[in-house]
Amino acid sequence: GQNIDQPTEMTATEGAIVQINCTYQTSGFNGLFWYQQHAGEAPTFLSYNVLDGLEEKGRFSSFLSRSKGYSYLLLKELQMKDSASYLCAVRGQGTGANNLFFGTGTRLTVIP
Amino acid sequence: DTGVSQDPRHKITKRGQNVTFRCDPISEHNRLYWYRQTLGQGPEFLTYFQNEAQLEKSRLLSDRFSAERPKGSFSTLEIQRTEQGDSAMYLCASSSKAGGSEAFFGQGTRLTVV
Repeated sequence: GQNIDQPTEMTATEGAIVQINCTYQTSGFNGLFWYQQHAGEAPTFLSYNVLDGLEEKGRFSSFLSRSKGYSYLLLKELQMKDSASYLCAVRGQGTGANNLFFGTGTRLTVIP
Repeated sequence: DTGVSQDPRHKITKRGQNVTFRCDPISEHNRLYWYRQTLGQGPEFLTYFQNEAQLEKSRLLSDRFSAERPKGSFSTLEIQRTEQGDSAMYLCASSSKAGGSEAFFGQGTRLTVV
């Protein structure tokens, strides 16, 4: 089966740094994705990790440890527009290789 | 606009009626996915097409649900004899390959069954 855990809600201050954690237990692993979703809108792609380590893209970075089944999304220099849900998703292998299994999402609120 | 488009954006229907949603993927993408999302949850996988072939179906996709992609371009998702539990956002996504390529999502169709 697939199990993806992430905190339900987080609050952080504008200009600060926030780390959103994701742990996963899946029957296979073929990559981990982070998506951002504003209320009422479609998820938009943020990052992809398939090998261990840190991927940096502007204010956003994502880290993966396959041995620990763990990833985090790091958001720097927070802006009010970063208030959104952040979805961790894992691509499986075999019959699960063609779809993404999503966590419930972490709703981030950025306060002034 | 070259993104994934879905139609309609909103649908209200009475319980027991049939509904059909359409998804137009990004034109060069041969992979197409349908997901369902309820409030406060992440998207749940429903089904996957590679070109016109439906290669995977979730157990969530009961026999009241059917999806097609007849010419390997647009796709339709039909729900027969709708139930209140079918109320959700139905998301379509497309990608160019199954490996590291990210999936691009449409804006979704919000279904309300009354």
